[in-house]
Order: sequence, then structure tokens, then C-alpha cells
Amino acid sequence: GAGVSQSPSNKVTEKGKDVELRCDPISGHTALYWYRQSLGQGLEFLIYFQGNSAPDKSGLPSDRFSAERTGGSVSTLTIQRTQQEDSAVYLCASSLRTSGDNEQFFGPGTRLTVL
Amino acid sequence: AQKITQTQPGMFVQEKEAVTLDCTYDTSDPSYGLFWYKQPSSGEMIFLIYQGSYDQQNATEGRYSLNFQKARKSANLVISASQLGDSAMYFCAMREDLGNQFYFGTGTSLTVIP
Repeated sequence: GAGVSQSPSNKVTEKGKDVELRCDPISGHTALYWYRQSLGQGLEFLIYFQGNSAPDKSGLPSDRFSAERTGGSVSTLTIQRTQQEDSAVYLCASSLRTSGDNEQFFGPGTRLTVL
Repeated sequence: AQKITQTQPGMFVQEKEAVTLDCTYDTSDPSYGLFWYKQPSSGEMIFLIYQGSYDQQNATEGRYSLNFQKARKSANLVISASQLGDSAMYFCAMREDLGNQFYFGTGTSLTVIP
């Protein structure tokens, strides 16, 4: 079956503009995660969705960042009034469950460049 | 405190030799899982191996094995018979079963020398 897909693969925007990044998880996966990876760095957790539960937003760096997940499937990460420090690769991952050996399956990422 | 610590920013290994990538973790949760991921220069994250906190034996997956020392809270990745294609960033991660997050280390860049 299809893996996790993300769109767009690359996004260049001007400072102050809003951007939307999309993630399509693997069908049937109830858990969905967003991460940010700056150049040469590790993964920074942003937000987590599990089924119909309230999302864990503890990793969002500011109120300019928000995310939603519609129908327990597709997720959109929105960054308002983008800043140059928002430039990074944004990775989405999904997993079947959040216990046991359920590894995360990652999408290819969206590379965001804020000019 | 860092949940996951990877102290080796860069490692070199001769082709066909074995290499150990270090990972220590910090948790008070009795139930957790430990994961290793590989990230080649192309950017995708590839799952390699999993170790559960209650697993009695070290996990193995082909040329990958996880040296799990629970008392020391370490979960080192051992790659045997290194290949040129093993050159990549390697990330150690932990998921606490009581929580939602995966915690990732800062990664180790492995270069396999022909």
C-alpha cells in the first residue's frame, strides 16, 4: 500500500506569508505526528494526533503554528506570518498504534524556505 | 534533561567492519520502546530496529542489532559488516508508553570508508 505522502515537496515563501503543509498518513494509522528538522539537526516534535482525542500541541513553537486533522486522516500544518527561522524540513509520520513495536512511518517531508 | 543523548556527532568505519553507535536515554516510565532510524542524504527516515523495555533479549534485524543495557539506560546500535550504503545519519528515539511523543536524539553521522 501507499506510504505517507506530503505536499508540497518544496515551498518557497516570503516572510510574513502564511503556508499550509499537507500530510496523508497511511490508511488505518490512527496516530499522526508532525516534526521539524532544521539543517543538520535532529527532529523537533511539533504536534501529535491520536484518533479522535485532543491533539498534543506541546511542541508547537509559537501561536503562529497550528494543525488540524480532518476525519482522522489527512492533516494540515499551518504556519502564519512565516519568519526566516521557520525554514526547515517539516516531516509527518504515522503509526498504527502508540504502544508496542509500532514504529513511525515517515513521509518524504516538505522543505520550507522563507525568504 | 535530554530524553535521548547521542554523543557521537560523526563516526567513520572501514567497509566490512562493525561499528557501534551510542545512545543513552532518560525516563522514569517503566514501559517504553526504543527505536533506531536511518536518514540517508536523500532525507527519508527509515526504521531499522525496535527494542521494548520488557524484552529480555537484544533485538536483531539482519546486520543491525541493539545492545540494550537497561540498568545503564543505553541502547546502542551495532551495524555489522558495514557497507558503503550505510553512510547516513542515524537517530535513536524513545517512546514512553504513558505519553504520546517520540523523543529523538541529535543523530550520528556515519561514514563508511571503502
